[in-house]
Amino acid sequence: QSVLTQPPSVSAAPGQKVTISCSGSSSNIGTNYVSWYQQLPGTAPKLLIYDTNERPSGIPDRFSGSKSGTSATLGIAGLQTGDEADYYCGTWDSSLSGVVFGGGTKLTVL
Amino acid sequence: QVQLQESGPGLVKPSQTLSLTCTVSGGSIRSGNYYWSWIRQPAGKGLEWIGRIFTSGSTNYNPSLKSRVTISVDTSKNQFSLKLSSVTAADTAVYYCARGGYYDPNAFDIWGQGTMVTVSS
Repeated sequence: QSVLTQPPSVSAAPGQKVTISCSGSSSNIGTNYVSWYQQLPGTAPKLLIYDTNERPSGIPDRFSGSKSGTSATLGIAGLQTGDEADYYCGTWDSSLSGVVFGGGTKLTVL
Repeated sequence: QVQLQESGPGLVKPSQTLSLTCTVSGGSIRSGNYYWSWIRQPAGKGLEWIGRIFTSGSTNYNPSLKSRVTISVDTSKNQFSLKLSSVTAADTAVYYCARGGYYDPNAFDIWGQGTMVTVSS
């Protein structure tokens, strides 16, 4: 049981936009920055978004992040088949004094 | 270009201690205000943060694992290490080392490739 809640799966057609939600509480998302990771099959996770809505260098602007209250959202525009992967949200939990992750969302590009 | 590489036994017996090392190359583990973390992922499941060590040597651990975890750093070898005691089958997972702090203390911008550890007799 993950501290952050994500939908198990989402799907959309190539070229479309998809959003992935990440729900938490006042002790984590509500008061701390959120990061997002992409994990392609058989590989280590890759940082997509940090500080809720910032992209590391090299990450295309098709990827975006936002937050409202205790929920965060990852948006992926102009979907490509290469975007098929598992996506994870993460943040600091002030009550637990540790980093917590969501359970992951599998993106299928139909 | 900083890179991380995990190493250690791939098989550990139940009740024994799992020991892994992460070697940092392409930069000094002492430079910058970085947090060096261990994260694991059971097969087909999500990510679980185990804990981290700061450049100064201070540590934070996942409360659910705290009683069994020790993370240490060896600056002379540019490595940091994980020890997890009293392991059970539930500790079978891919273990990653990762760096936090370049962008945000809790955002991991560099990851090792991961090492599979199986707990079995």
